[in-house]
Amino acid sequence: EPEVTQTPSHQVTQMGQEVILRCVPISNHLYFYWYRQILGQKVEFLVSFYNNEISEKSEIFDDQFSVERPDGSNFTLKIRSTKLEDSAMYFCASSGLLGDTEAFFGQGTRLTVV
Amino acid sequence: RKEVEQDPGPFNVPEGATVAFNCTYSNSASQSFFWYRQDCRKEPKLLMSVYSSGNEDGRFTAQLNRASQYISLLIRDSKLSDSATYLCVVNGNSGYALNFGKGTSLLVTP
Repeated sequence: EPEVTQTPSHQVTQMGQEVILRCVPISNHLYFYWYRQILGQKVEFLVSFYNNEISEKSEIFDDQFSVERPDGSNFTLKIRSTKLEDSAMYFCASSGLLGDTEAFFGQGTRLTVV
Repeated sequence: RKEVEQDPGPFNVPEGATVAFNCTYSNSASQSFFWYRQDCRKEPKLLMSVYSSGNEDGRFTAQLNRASQYISLLIRDSKLSDSATYLCVVNGNSGYALNFGKGTSLLVTP
């Protein structure tokens, strides 16, 4: 069964450092997303990406965040200067079509900022 | 007002029981509705989409009431493996973002 894969599974970084989280979406999907989940809280939308550009972003997705699809398979989330409050589980997701089609999630990257 | 609200539970039920979860959403323009399941420290996994006419998948039945902005999930004949957090999910205005409820915790006991 096709799946979304994310690397690394766990990343520990020092405050102020840059991190890049990587994702390989399902191959024939067109829409890509990043979500985050702070421990004990709900899953929150960060950004969606379609046709090589951001289609929507939340208030959380400020100038410290950026996304990129550097080649035909990878989709990355960069946090430029990490803060303690960026510690969370980051989930990548993809879907085939907008809206009505279900999004499938990767297993997540647990980011710990120390 | 929270966009998607759920009773956090926990719901503790014996094996074989029937359990129902409810969810309300605030955005009347929402078009897509889902139930996801999340195991501890794992990713959300799609359980089922929810359609206006109601839909069933084995032991699971989902209902949508657009007028009341209310979604439900019924689990019949609960199994130990059903123990998880059940997330009510609704798409937003643009259709891109999914809005998640905080989830309802279910523990099925022997």
